[in-house]
Amino acid sequence: TQLLEQSPQFLSIQEGENLTVYCNSSSVFSSLQWYRQEPGEGPVLLVTVVTGGEVKKLKRLTFQFGDARKDSSLHITAAQPGDTGLYLCAGADNQGGKLIFGQGTELSVKP
Amino acid sequence: DADVTQTPRNRITKTGKRIMLECSQTKGHDRMYWYRQDPGLGLRLIYYSFDVKDINKGEISDGYSVSRQAQAKFSLSLESAIPNQTALYFCATSDSARAGGYTFGSGTRLTVV
Repeated sequence: TQLLEQSPQFLSIQEGENLTVYCNSSSVFSSLQWYRQEPGEGPVLLVTVVTGGEVKKLKRLTFQFGDARKDSSLHITAAQPGDTGLYLCAGADNQGGKLIFGQGTELSVKP
Repeated sequence: DADVTQTPRNRITKTGKRIMLECSQTKGHDRMYWYRQDPGLGLRLIYYSFDVKDINKGEISDGYSVSRQAQAKFSLSLESAIPNQTALYFCATSDSARAGGYTFGSGTRLTVV
């Protein structure tokens, strides 16, 4: 069974600080995705990374896929209150491409 | 209109009752999924369907059943609801032709009392 472990589970920081969220597994994934979820809504896709070592940037967010395609990180620079939400990583499994989700990281950015 | 619509948005039901959650999509995607979300556990896959004639169990299918009535419609049923099925339920779609992400509905908050 493929599992994804996210850390930390909760993160509370001040506006302007930097943070990193980690997503780790002992399994190899064909691709990995990051989602952001706000209260009362479904997750919304932020990015998909496919190649080992790949780095993608989305404004102040930087996503990296590990060289072995077993782990990923999300780094936010100069966090803002609008970044508050639940961040979920998800890996495409090796049997048909279904997504397996990590537990999520609840981020709170205080003004 | 939303790309993926779930009804109802909220539902309170009694133990032992049968309940159906409905999902419809306008994305034209062939694949549809049902997940449940519990605090600290992320999203867990209940059932998925890769086309109208294809239904597959996910990791937590016990106590649930599904029906894919058309490419755009995928419903989830709880045959006899129990309190530990209280959760947030999400329907999602994806396109097999592209390695893109999932599009989620806004969820159904189900409470079993």
